[in-house]
Amino acid sequence: GAVVSQHPSWVICKSGTSVKIECRSLDFQATTMFWYRQFPKQSLMLMATSNEGSKATYEQGVEKDKFLINHASLTLSTLTVTSAHPEDSSFYICSARPGLDSTDTQYFGPGTRLTVL
Amino acid sequence: QKEVEQDPGPLSVPEGAIVSLNCTYSNSAFQYFMWYRQYSRKGPELLMYTYSSGNKEDGRFTAQVDKSSKYISLFIRDSQPSDSATYLCAMSAGFGMRFGAGTRLTVKP
Repeated sequence: GAVVSQHPSWVICKSGTSVKIECRSLDFQATTMFWYRQFPKQSLMLMATSNEGSKATYEQGVEKDKFLINHASLTLSTLTVTSAHPEDSSFYICSARPGLDSTDTQYFGPGTRLTVL
Repeated sequence: QKEVEQDPGPLSVPEGAIVSLNCTYSNSAFQYFMWYRQYSRKGPELLMYTYSSGNKEDGRFTAQVDKSSKYISLFIRDSQPSDSATYLCAMSAGFGMRFGAGTRLTVKP
């Protein structure tokens, strides 16, 4: 149980284009999903927290107009990197927290590697 | 001071060794403690979960929590090359998880 999927697993795009990454909880309902980015050999950096049906809460320094997050259902959250630039190239990982879980345990997706040319 | 401190390593041990990974924290409100394992270019996977103080054992893995010292540990017995990964500690008070920096472990055959 507690499986989280991400799509696509990797994407290459041209500078200036937008890229959408999907995060799905496959066997549980997730009222809260989290988006992280990870640079090589570094730990996870929380970008934003999204709650189903409400606006995402962004961490300090993360541009909300550049990283659009939508959490339209209890099993799906999307991250759209708008007008991507080479410095946005990174490993993006989502996680989901089961709605009835009070332990705050998060289950992670496999990650999406974004390369912006 | 960071809320969660974890030595990033890298840590290299021979196959069969006992590995000890540790984190310290400053927020006494933390009561849920987790260890995640992350292989290269993969998302983290939940390895161990512990509530409050005490020990928890699962196969070759043992998680310890000492709330009085604000110190948690993960022990890996009979380490295998397949244990080579980055290990992240995480903890929560129920309203948001905080992660350590991750320790890179290499187990050499």
